[in-house]
Amino acid sequence: AQSVAQPEDQVNVAEGNPLTVKCTYSVSGNPYLFWYVQYPNRGLQVLLKYITGDNLVKGSYGFEAEFNKSQTSFHLKKPSALVSDSALYFCAVSPLNNAGNMLTFGGGTRLMVKP
Amino acid sequence: EPEVTQTPSHQVTQMGQEVILRCVPISNHLYFYWYRQILGQKVEFLVSFYNNEISEKSEIFDDQFSVERPDGSNFTLKIRSTKLEDSAMYFCASSEVAFGGETQYFGPGTRLLVL
Repeated sequence: AQSVAQPEDQVNVAEGNPLTVKCTYSVSGNPYLFWYVQYPNRGLQVLLKYITGDNLVKGSYGFEAEFNKSQTSFHLKKPSALVSDSALYFCAVSPLNNAGNMLTFGGGTRLMVKP
Repeated sequence: EPEVTQTPSHQVTQMGQEVILRCVPISNHLYFYWYRQILGQKVEFLVSFYNNEISEKSEIFDDQFSVERPDGSNFTLKIRSTKLEDSAMYFCASSEVAFGGETQYFGPGTRLLVL
């Protein structure tokens, strides 16, 4: 069975500083990996996804994530944080051979960007 | 941009009552999903649905739950006899296709409270 771990419940960063939100996964075979963001009273919005190819994936709002197969990690990064980036971030995995396209989510990390 | 919509945004019900949560997926999407998030816990997969059939379901999705696409636009989740532990945020999602790397688009959720 697949699983996703987000080791930090909350990440605090000052505006303008780089941010990293960590994610590690466990899945049989090669995974499809996603980062979703949730703003208050909104649904989950996809930021980026890794399917295959370049290990560095660029997504919406200046976010990027690096797929590291040896460390089974998919950390979310942004070079310069904005106050508007403050939200709840979820990492998710879907196994390569998943016919039903079931996503398995991590527990979420709350990002707080202070002015 | 097309969005998944869900109604109601909040529902309060008494234990043992039936509830129906409604979703309107994105119009050209063919695959539909329900997830739930108990307060403070992970987002969990419940069921996926395609061509009027369940594609995959989790062990959470027992006989108390059912899904239906009653017309060309709505997708519903019915809980037959609610229990206290069914209190959660329920998310509907849809995707164009269902290979593992396909993005699922989520609605804003219905917060269900069972008293």
